[in-house]
Amino acid sequence: GNSVTQMEGPVTLSEEAFLTINCTYTATGYPSLFWYVQYPGEGLQLLLKATKADDKGSNKGFEATYRKETTSFHLEKGSVQVSDSAVYFCALSKNGGSQGNLIFGKGTKLSVKP
Amino acid sequence: DADVTQTPRNRITKTGKRIMLECSQTKGHDRMYWYRQDPGLGLRLIYYSFDVKDINKGEISDGYSVSRQAQAKFSLSLESAIPNQTALYFCATSFPGINEQFFGPGTRLTVL
Repeated sequence: GNSVTQMEGPVTLSEEAFLTINCTYTATGYPSLFWYVQYPGEGLQLLLKATKADDKGSNKGFEATYRKETTSFHLEKGSVQVSDSAVYFCALSKNGGSQGNLIFGKGTKLSVKP
Repeated sequence: DADVTQTPRNRITKTGKRIMLECSQTKGHDRMYWYRQDPGLGLRLIYYSFDVKDINKGEISDGYSVSRQAQAKFSLSLESAIPNQTALYFCATSFPGINEQFFGPGTRLTVL
């Protein structure tokens, strides 16, 4: 079946450090891939997405590239800020048909220290 | 105003009680979802609805029921709450053919 595996946290970084959160997936066909972010006390919000192989999603300085050959969608940011402290979820969705349901990874908590 | 709202935001109840969580949306989306979030387990889908009166079971529907009487509203019920249903519950919406989902702020439910 379809699944998402992301690195376990928590991840603790100093401000301005480089961030990588690994995400790999298992799916048939060509899913869409997403990163959602959950700030403390809030619901999830879409951070970025990619719908086909080699697409790069980007937003707020975060980037992730859809790598079909390695079935990966790693999240990166060159210089994190304290305000980036949150839980990050990788997710996939099968395209087409009547589905469109999201399958989430377990989440990675990021803490950024000043 | 928020596009997806959930009530209540926090609820403490006792084992055996019936609980209803409400979700309302002003986005005009046809599709609505209920998820449960537990620490270390991510989000798991409980039920989803693609239209009024359309109800589909998700990954963990046992112990829950839902109602979709109007496009804008999707309610989740726990007929007889038990302690392992203590969790954070999220409602989400999406538009057909668009896989992005929009989430409400969540309801924190504690069952004693």
